[in-house]
Amino acid sequence: AQKITQTQPGMFVQEKEAVTLDCTYDTSDPSYGLFWYKQPSSGEMIFLIYQGSYDQQNATEGRYSLNFQKARKSANLVISASQLGDSAMYFCAMSSKAGGSYIPTFGRGTSLIVHP
Amino acid sequence: KAGVTQTPRYLIKTRGQQVTLSCSPISGHRSVSWYQQTPGQGLQFLFEYFSETQRNKGNFPGRFSGRQFSNSRSEMNVSTLELGDSALYLCASSLEGQTNYGYTFGSGTRLTVV
Repeated sequence: AQKITQTQPGMFVQEKEAVTLDCTYDTSDPSYGLFWYKQPSSGEMIFLIYQGSYDQQNATEGRYSLNFQKARKSANLVISASQLGDSAMYFCAMSSKAGGSYIPTFGRGTSLIVHP
Repeated sequence: KAGVTQTPRYLIKTRGQQVTLSCSPISGHRSVSWYQQTPGQGLQFLFEYFSETQRNKGNFPGRFSGRQFSNSRSEMNVSTLELGDSALYLCASSLEGQTNYGYTFGSGTRLTVV
């Protein structure tokens, strides 16, 4: 079975500062993918970034980067230069092949509030 | 290109009724998955359909069912609604084998059971 743990229910950050959202995972599958999604109050889950278990380098997408530490089984999301529009719920997810397809398992989420 | 479309956005139903939710995936996406999101349980996987066949199923009672049509559009049905079924129901679509972009989600259907 796979498990995703997000230990920070809520985080606060000042606008323009960087923030790290924690995520640890557990799986026995050597091949897996790690994702981060953003969910604003509207409800839609917005894909942010992906890291494959065999990727040697940390993934980056604009202001988002994923700090992948395989031995520690952690996949923290770093948001640089926070903006007010970054205020939302953030979910870490992991997928590994089950029944022929990759079904993501989600963590409980971290609520991020960006202060002006 | 159009995203994942879920209808309706909001729904209020009475206990004991049944409800059908609809999801139109991104054009070309053949996999459609459904999730239930509640404050207490978080995001829980319901089922996945691929080429009109249910390929994976989560741990939900038989009152929750779904289907997929030949154009990849999917519906989920909940019969004999209970108060605990009140939730945001999210649909996600993906290309077969394309895991590095994850799933693309719709805006969800917020179901309230009274």
